[in-house]
Amino acid sequence: GEDVEQSLFLSVREGDSSVINCTYTDSSSTYLYWYKQEPGAGLQLLTYIFSNMDMKQDQRLTVLLNKKDKHLSLRIADTQTGDSAIYFCAEVGSSASKIIFGSGTRLSIRP
Amino acid sequence: KAGVTQTPRYLIKTRGQQVTLSCSPISGHRSVSWYQQTPGQGLQFLFEYFSETQRNKGNFPGRFSGRQFSNSRSEMNVSTLELGDSALYLCASSPRLAGSYEQYFGPGTRLTVT
Repeated sequence: GEDVEQSLFLSVREGDSSVINCTYTDSSSTYLYWYKQEPGAGLQLLTYIFSNMDMKQDQRLTVLLNKKDKHLSLRIADTQTGDSAIYFCAEVGSSASKIIFGSGTRLSIRP
Repeated sequence: KAGVTQTPRYLIKTRGQQVTLSCSPISGHRSVSWYQQTPGQGLQFLFEYFSETQRNKGNFPGRFSGRQFSNSRSEMNVSTLELGDSALYLCASSPRLAGSYEQYFGPGTRLTVT
């Protein structure tokens, strides 16, 4: 079945890079997404990558996709306090009719 | 361009009551999807509407229903509320079917059932 897994917590020092990892099971996924959710808010689309790409960079964000291992990562360079949030990885399921979300990784920043 | 709006933002109901939540998508978006978010179950897909037709449905009981109007606004209804229905309900809009394009989320409606 379709499943997306993430670790629940990540703590990094301000100014360091954060790397949030995600694994998925559906090898036919076409799109993979990263969303950010701040307290009391909805989900904000951060970036996405097509399955035929290995990497995508957008300012401080770098997405790496390893299709062979079904592994997706989000790297946030120069992590700031404003980056504190829950980050969700999501994939388009094989039926291409719905998006499957991971459980989210809570990123906390320490001074 | 205005984002996705959801009303109300907060709601308190008692068991057995019913509730209707509303979602207005981004102008020009024809797809509206609904999700339930709880601490224990995470984000779970409820259903998607596109051009007034339900296109896909998640694994929720029949107490959860929805509809979409000709202006793409969508409503979600939950009948005979249970304590376990307490959650943040998020809607997301997309210009095309959700599986083919990124979705944009609203701020959510926080439903508390007592």
